[in-house]
Amino acid sequence: NAGVMQNPRHLVRRRGQEARLRCSPMKGHSHVYWYRQLPEEGLKFMVYLQKENIIDESGMPKERFSAEFPKEGPSILRIQQVVRGDSAAYFCASSLTGQTMNTEAFFGQGTRLTVV
Amino acid sequence: QKEVEQDPGPLSVPEGAIVSLNCTYSNSAFQYFMWYRQYSRKGPELLMYTYSSGNKEDGRFTAQVDKSSKYISLFIRDSQPSDSATYLCAMSENNFNKFYFGSGTKLNVKP
Repeated sequence: NAGVMQNPRHLVRRRGQEARLRCSPMKGHSHVYWYRQLPEEGLKFMVYLQKENIIDESGMPKERFSAEFPKEGPSILRIQQVVRGDSAAYFCASSLTGQTMNTEAFFGQGTRLTVV
Repeated sequence: QKEVEQDPGPLSVPEGAIVSLNCTYSNSAFQYFMWYRQYSRKGPELLMYTYSSGNKEDGRFTAQVDKSSKYISLFIRDSQPSDSATYLCAMSENNFNKFYFGSGTKLNVKP
């Protein structure tokens, strides 16, 4: 059973371009979370999605960032018109249910975005 | 003020030492407390999970939560070089996987 798969592992974008990060959850998992890790900082919650629904996007910047988790295919985190401050590691996690008590959230290896 | 504070280290200890890692927090609504281990260039992996106050032991690892002091700890006994990693504490208010992470403590266990 493969773990959470994120691709690409490394992504370089010029300022103003779009970045698209993909996350395939573990088999059978329908809950996906995105976190951002800035250098020397902890992970910061961005968004929690279930299939076709955004449950909690309280950590998402108001502009340029969007996320989706379609019925088929991976979850996508999209960053439009990237700026240098978007450079970070973006981690995706998935879980069987959304309840912390009953299930562990497994993290992928992250996508390291560099904006030049 | 950050919601979760964690000493970044680095913490360097000899093999076999007892390691103590700590976090403090300000949000009294946190009820779920986790410790994750993160190797360089990898994703975090769950080590320990505790609900509310108390102790939990798993092999060489012991997690302690003191909600009255808003303070959590992870103890590693008989530390090994393979324990060298960054340790992240994480907390959650409710029963859903929205975590608030500390910045991580980098641990180096010397052979």
